[in-house]
Amino acid sequence: QVQLQESGPGLVKPSQTLSLTCTVSGGSLSSGGYYWSWIRQHPGKGLEWIGFIYYSGTTYYNPSLRSRVTLSVDMSKNQFSLKLTSVTAADTAVYYCASYDSSVGEDYFDHWGQGTLVAVSS
Amino acid sequence: DIQMTQSPSSLSASVGDRVTITCRASQSISSYLNWYQQRPGKPPKLLIYTASNLHSGVPSRFSGRGSGTDFTLTISSLQPEDFAIYYCQQSFSTPRTFGQGTKVEIK
Repeated sequence: QVQLQESGPGLVKPSQTLSLTCTVSGGSLSSGGYYWSWIRQHPGKGLEWIGFIYYSGTTYYNPSLRSRVTLSVDMSKNQFSLKLTSVTAADTAVYYCASYDSSVGEDYFDHWGQGTLVAVSS
Repeated sequence: DIQMTQSPSSLSASVGDRVTITCRASQSISSYLNWYQQRPGKPPKLLIYTASNLHSGVPSRFSGRGSGTDFTLTISSLQPEDFAIYYCQQSFSTPRTFGQGTKVEIK
């Protein structure tokens, strides 16, 4: 069973860079058909997709965040990471990492981390 | 971006009730529609994929239908553990987008 776990600072100052890592266990980042994703949820609000990364490094970003987001993978550690630059209070949210099964006939987020709350405040 | 609109935003129901939640896409998404359940303090959990396929381990009281722009999630007999927020999500195009959620509360 694939498990994902987010890690990173819970507090980031305005204008700085938010950096989170997702560690995958029970499966490999190089599993065919799987994309690795970040999704966030503002307090008491709905879900916002941030982007995908494939193990090859191919990325897809939400246009609303593209100018500030970078996703990367570290195959040696079976981890993928999120960097979000120039953060403001509007970036305060619970950040989830998730696997996205894009195999033939499948197209969904099937495994999720528990989420990590990141607050942006001075 | 494809906008997903759910209705109602919230509902109150009793254990044993049949509950239906609607999700409408701003353009046709074929059957590329998934449903998730989120309990307080937990990540979303996949229930239904590609509009009508029950994900592994999900009770059969959950069902989905629809295609094009209009979709429904039905819980045939509401159980205590079903009180949660439900989200639809389209997989037709990038960016992937979610509905705003429907909160199912105890009457």
